[in-house]
Amino acid sequence: DIVMTQSPDSLAVSLGERATINCKSSQSVLYSSNNKNYLAWYQQKPGQPPKLLIYWASTRESGVPDRFSGSGSGTDFTLTISSLQAEDVAFYYCLQYYATPRTFGQGTKVEIK
Amino acid sequence: QVQLQESGPGLVKPSETLSLTCTVSGGSFSSYYWNWIRQPAGKGLEWLGRIYTGGITNYNPSLRGRVTMSVVTSENHFSLKLTSVTAADTAVYYCAREETGDGMPYFFDYWGQGTLVTVSS
Repeated sequence: DIVMTQSPDSLAVSLGERATINCKSSQSVLYSSNNKNYLAWYQQKPGQPPKLLIYWASTRESGVPDRFSGSGSGTDFTLTISSLQAEDVAFYYCLQYYATPRTFGQGTKVEIK
Repeated sequence: QVQLQESGPGLVKPSETLSLTCTVSGGSFSSYYWNWIRQPAGKGLEWLGRIYTGGITNYNPSLRGRVTMSVVTSENHFSLKLTSVTAADTAVYYCAREETGDGMPYFFDYWGQGTLVTVSS
């Protein structure tokens, strides 16, 4: 199985400041034939299902605010919230869809400082 | 807008079989991969497996053969059966659609709201 490890487990950021979450995969999720990284990011608020934010490591889902961005390639990826808003308080998960079983990171809790 | 809705018993006794159904509305059902994912309270997400509308399945080996999925394309629903349940199977169970491209499954784009299943006598 591909193990996905997120860091940190939690972080507290002031409103309007930048939040950065890292995700590392135990093997590359870059598919060489199409040069795409099979990595997605989700946001989950209490009592709700996960919501897709980013796919192909850096493509923002329709309707997702542009303060959310994804970057990285191979085994190391980052989700950045450029200016944290109150509504961004949530858990964030990375997902690899390079192989089965599909595996998620353990999650990162983002709070307001 | 695609909508998924899980249904089934919220309480299952230890050693019995957990059975859930996911009904899909508002979009195409055919030619997609349909998944089950669970989340124990306060914990992360675990992928259980998927079924293609043609009936092909992939299961998480961690479930050690306890899982079976089926699909009824004419009724736009798919189902999960998990046998020999224990307290460790207590979780919110989500169904989700996998976006596809060139027939290949990718990321989960639509999710149900989830249903809590508790394993207890």
